[in-house]
Formats: sequence, C-alpha cells, structure tokens
Amino acid sequence: QVQLVESGGGVVQPGRSLRLSCVVSGFTFSSYAVHWVRQAPGKGLEWVAVMSYDGSKIYYADSVKGRFTISRDNSKNTLYLQMNSLRVEDTAVYYCAKDHEGGTFDYWGQGTLVTVSS
Amino acid sequence: QLVLTQSPSASASLGASVKLTCTLSSGHSSYAIAWHQQQSQKGPRFLMKVNSDGSHSRGGGIPDRFSGSSSGAERYLIISSLQSEDEADYYCQTWGAGIWVFGEGTKLTVL
Repeated sequence: QVQLVESGGGVVQPGRSLRLSCVVSGFTFSSYAVHWVRQAPGKGLEWVAVMSYDGSKIYYADSVKGRFTISRDNSKNTLYLQMNSLRVEDTAVYYCAKDHEGGTFDYWGQGTLVTVSS
Repeated sequence: QLVLTQSPSASASLGASVKLTCTLSSGHSSYAIAWHQQQSQKGPRFLMKVNSDGSHSRGGGIPDRFSGSSSGAERYLIISSLQSEDEADYYCQTWGAGIWVFGEGTKLTVL
C-alpha cells in the first residue's frame, strides 16, 4: 500500500534551519510530483511547495519563497524540505503528499511537527 | 485571485445526509476542486475530485456514501447515511498555474 512517512521535525529557535524528509513506498516515486503542505496549530491546511517527478519544475508558496528549498532523491524514494531562516509563524505540522493528476493530493503522510520558538 | 470559500461549521444527525459547499472566486468557476477529510488528530485523507460539470472521482476505499456535484462556481460534497466517524474537518482544494489553494475548512458535527 502507499505510504509516506515524514521525519525531521522538532523544536528550533527563530532564524535557525531544519531539514524534513519524506520516505515513500507503494508507488513509483520517480513518476510523480510530490508536495509539502503544512498546518499551523488549530488552523487550516496551507500548501508549501511542489517538485515535479524529475525535479525540473518547482513551485513555492509566497510565504516560504527564498527561505525553503524542496528537493528529492529518486534513488532513495525520498523528498526533502530544507527550511532556513525559520520564523515563529512556520510552526506547523508538515505533511508530504503525492500529486494526483497534476492538481490534487491523493495520498498523505501522517505529518511531522516543527516548532519554532525561542 | 484564486480563493475558495467554505462555511466554518455544519451539523447533521446520525443517519441523515449533509451537503457541504465550496465556492470558487470570481473568474474561476470552471475549475475542478478536490475534497479532503481530516479526522481529529489525523492527517488528511483524499475523498474525491469534483469537476465543473459535476462529475466526480472518489479516492481509493472511499465509500459511495460520499459524492460530489457542481453548480456554477459552487462545488458540493454530499455525505449520506451519516456515521459518527464522519465527524471531521472537510477541506476543499484547487489549483492553478504554480499555485495550490485550500479553503479554510468546514467542521462537521454529527449529532
């Protein structure tokens, strides 16, 4: 079955960096775009970034552009999110999600919590 | 600007039906959307994609109690024979050129 497992979350001070990972199984990772989506405590879902199947197309939400970098290693079935210059408002559960037909997300991970606090 | 509008809350009785609404912003009435369910303390789950013509395609394992439809700029999620486990937050979501957008979610209470 399809699985996406995020890791790398934790508590970090404002201005510092953190790298999240998402290991996938159950589908041909190298054939699909994959997204990062986040959810601040008690709030709704916010799309963060997407990388195409081959890494040739990347898009970011304005709220993270210039600070976050999405990448992937198809040989390891792994998606990454490098988060630099973290802010308190980046505190959220971060989910990775498999792209479906270029527009939506048909499988989600269970999320990893990132807390930015001094 | 691509925006989705949802009512913050809805409620219906066990065994009844409920219709949740998601409204696309002006100029975007032809867009398809998706519905995602998020039960308490869990990750989201894809329910279905709903096209502008009202056709819809459910995700794997989603029962046919869940259906979708469309009218103009509105997209609907209809849940019939409500069960206690349907109590959850429901998010609509759409996409454009290099942008993916969520509605603010509707909290469904099953009475």
